[in-house]
Amino acid sequence: TQLLEQSPQFLSIQEGENLTVYCNSSSVFSSLQWYRQEPGEGPVLLVTVVTGGEVKKLKRLTFQFGDARKDSSLHITAAQPGDTGLYLCAGARNTDKLIFGTGTRLQVFP
Amino acid sequence: DAGITQSPRHKVTETGTPVTLRCHQTENHRYMYWYRQDPGHGLRLIHYSYGVKDTDKGEVSDGYSVSRSKTEDFLLTLESATSSQTSVYFCAISESSGTPAGKLFFGEGSRLTVL
Repeated sequence: TQLLEQSPQFLSIQEGENLTVYCNSSSVFSSLQWYRQEPGEGPVLLVTVVTGGEVKKLKRLTFQFGDARKDSSLHITAAQPGDTGLYLCAGARNTDKLIFGTGTRLQVFP
Repeated sequence: DAGITQSPRHKVTETGTPVTLRCHQTENHRYMYWYRQDPGHGLRLIHYSYGVKDTDKGEVSDGYSVSRSKTEDFLLTLESATSSQTSVYFCAISESSGTPAGKLFFGEGSRLTVL
């Protein structure tokens, strides 16, 4: 059973479009992270959110942690081909390990 | 970039043979992790270590063992490889744990194919 479900699983859009990726769980997390992974490489951390309702912005990327700390979203404004990759959310439920989501593969066409 | 080296990067083996993957770090980080990545599953934790000789199981530990005799090295062993263990394996390190969760730095992955 996957504790963190991401949707959509795949997303293919044109440059300039906006998109939102969702990360949902029935469990409460003490913190949640978002990673991006490019082909042939390991994931790279984008952001960590800790407080319920917290919103963080990273250039054109906006991350939100749900009020109940069970879900999160990633919104990309005016997507660019450089945003192409696999986006992974990861939640911490105890002090030693992260649980990763199922992943959203984004393709942005020029 | 964090100093994490995985070896081998690619391996093809036959069912029933033992396989060992090595993760080497130069960051002196306390925490080390082994994940496997399969389509539709994201990353799933196999085993992790919170210090030399201190390891614990993750969510998909069956068929895998680990050892950490030095801070810098974390070995993942498949005692008798099966086709279901065909996957891309990632090592990760973290300086801290707790709340919020520490930042994970990942290696470049080891692609294992079990025929």
